Parts: sequence; C-alpha cells; structure tokens
Amino acid sequence: QKEVEQNSGPLSVPEGAIASLNCTYSDRGSQSFFWYRQYSGKSPELIMSIYSNGDKEDGRFTAQLNKASQYVSLLIRDSQPSDSATYLCAVNPANNDMRFGAGTRLTVKP
Amino acid sequence: DAEITQSPRHKITETGRQVTLACHQTWNHNNMFWYRQDLGHGLRLIHYSYGVQDTNKGEVSDGYSVSRSNTEDLPLTLESAASSQTSVYFCASSDQGARTQYFGPGTRLTVL
Repeated sequence: QKEVEQNSGPLSVPEGAIASLNCTYSDRGSQSFFWYRQYSGKSPELIMSIYSNGDKEDGRFTAQLNKASQYVSLLIRDSQPSDSATYLCAVNPANNDMRFGAGTRLTVKP
Repeated sequence: DAEITQSPRHKITETGRQVTLACHQTWNHNNMFWYRQDLGHGLRLIHYSYGVQDTNKGEVSDGYSVSRSNTEDLPLTLESAASSQTSVYFCASSDQGARTQYFGPGTRLTVL
C-alpha cells in the first residue's frame, strides 16, 4: 500500500461545476496535509494546507480532513479552464518527511 | 524578491558520469529538500537538510549525495549516473518549524 494514494484520473468536469479530488494516507500519526497544484512542465505550488479535522475554505477551494478515516479531499467550486492541472496531495507522517501522492489530473472543459 | 533557483534546467549526460545539480534559495530558509518526479510515482524525497552541516537520507537516496556548507545552497550529486536516474528533479525549501515547502523550477535530467 502506498503511503499517500490518489486516483490518477484524468478527472474531467465542465466549466462552472464542482471538482472533487480525493486522497487517502496510511500513517495515522500524520499531522499536516497539503494540496499542491502543478501545471504541465511547471513546479508544484501550494494551494491549501489543513491540520485539523473538518473543512477549511479559501476562495473557491475547500479542503476537508477526516483523520479517523485517513482521508483528505479538495473541492474546487465554479471550476475554470485555468484550474486544469495535476493536483498533488502531500502528507507529513510522524517522522517529518513529506510524502506525496502521484497526483490527479484535472481537466475543466469550457 | 526571494526565490529558489535550480541549474541547469536541462541536462543530458552519459551513464557513469558524475553530475551535480545546483539549488540556491534566497528565502533564508533553514530547511531544503531534493525530490525526483517520475510518472506514476509523484514526488519522492531524495535527501533533505535542516541546516548547515546537516543532511539526511530520504526514501530514494541510493546513488545520490548532498552537502550543506551554507544556508543558501544544497547541491545534489549523482556519483555515477544511471539510466534509472533519468527524471525531473525539484529542489524545495521551507522555514524552520514550517511545513509549507516552496519549489524551484526543476531540472530535467536525461542519462543516456
């Protein structure tokens, strides 16, 4: 079992819809959770971080964390073509090294 | 503006050669990291450093080495390049005690 798992996609949604990206992790001691966006040929950029159970909203983005289920998700409301990218889930396990998922490729169609 | 840079951006080398990839940050961050990114594997940690003279192995450290002589730089050396080391390499940094990492633009390395 991989430490951080994501569906590779591609996930395709129409413009204006809600995109839902999911991630599960294996280390129950994990404390910090991140979502990075990576455009093709570019470096990852942080879009959300979440540390406690529940929802965290930032503009059109909402991160959701459920530590009991070892599950973290990212919702993108009113999806735009510019949101088309690969989204990486990252987790800090108890030993402090960051672990990344393989990423989910999102395509928003006009 | 503070930034993190990598050089070269593209490199082609031959099997068995020594290669060094440079990473330089002007954030004055204590923590620096090297990752490789391959299709289907996402980002995997190679080495990291929490300060000058400190280096640690990540999950895929075999065949790689780093040294940290100052705050700004963490060069990554491939002692004897192998075709399996063909990848995109990202350097990242974060402030002491902070979890958020900032990434450099990446180096695409091809080993023939």
